[in-house]
Amino acid sequence: EVQLLESGGGSVQPGGSLRLSCAASGFTLSNYGISWVRQAPGKGLEWVSAIRGSGDTTFYADSVKGRFTISRANSENTLYLQMNSLRAEDTAVYYCAVRINWDIFWGQGTLVTVSS
Amino acid sequence: DIQMTQSPSSLSASVGDRVTITCRASQGISNYLAWYQHKPGKVPKLLISAASTLQSGVPSRFSGSGSGTDFTLTISSLQPEDVATYFCQKYDGAPWTFGQGTKVEIK
Repeated sequence: EVQLLESGGGSVQPGGSLRLSCAASGFTLSNYGISWVRQAPGKGLEWVSAIRGSGDTTFYADSVKGRFTISRANSENTLYLQMNSLRAEDTAVYYCAVRINWDIFWGQGTLVTVSS
Repeated sequence: DIQMTQSPSSLSASVGDRVTITCRASQGISNYLAWYQHKPGKVPKLLISAASTLQSGVPSRFSGSGSGTDFTLTISSLQPEDVATYFCQKYDGAPWTFGQGTKVEIK
């Protein structure tokens, strides 16, 4: 069974940093591209970043480019999102999600709050 | 980047009504289109993948159609538990893009 479990969320001041983790099970992370998606309070879903299965290519939304870094530890079957220079507008629930063939699987999400 | 335009942004219908939500891609995306149901505080629930494949456990009153640029989610007989926001998503490759959402309420 495919499962994704995010962790690492919390409260941080503007300008601070957090690292989110997404532990995958039921499939081999290195075989698939995987994304981070977020939803700010009262807003729609926003794709944030993705990394290809090969790990050689990463993608970022313009809103986080230069501040967030996506990476993967194949030995741990875990995805990461390093978030630096956080802003109030980064406040959201962050989900990891993977496309496997035609289906998409989501984790439960982790809440990030950026506030002074 | 490919944009997804979803309409309407909200709708109010009676129990038993047929409800239709549309999603249009700015470029062709084959069948890489998913529909989600999202309730407050919950994880988005995947209803349909590949434009028309109903996920296991999803009631058969939900259906999806379309290919290329134009897609439709239909609820054949709206039920009270269907009150939620519905999103479309294109997932042929990065970046994934989501529609703006349709808030469905009971009249």
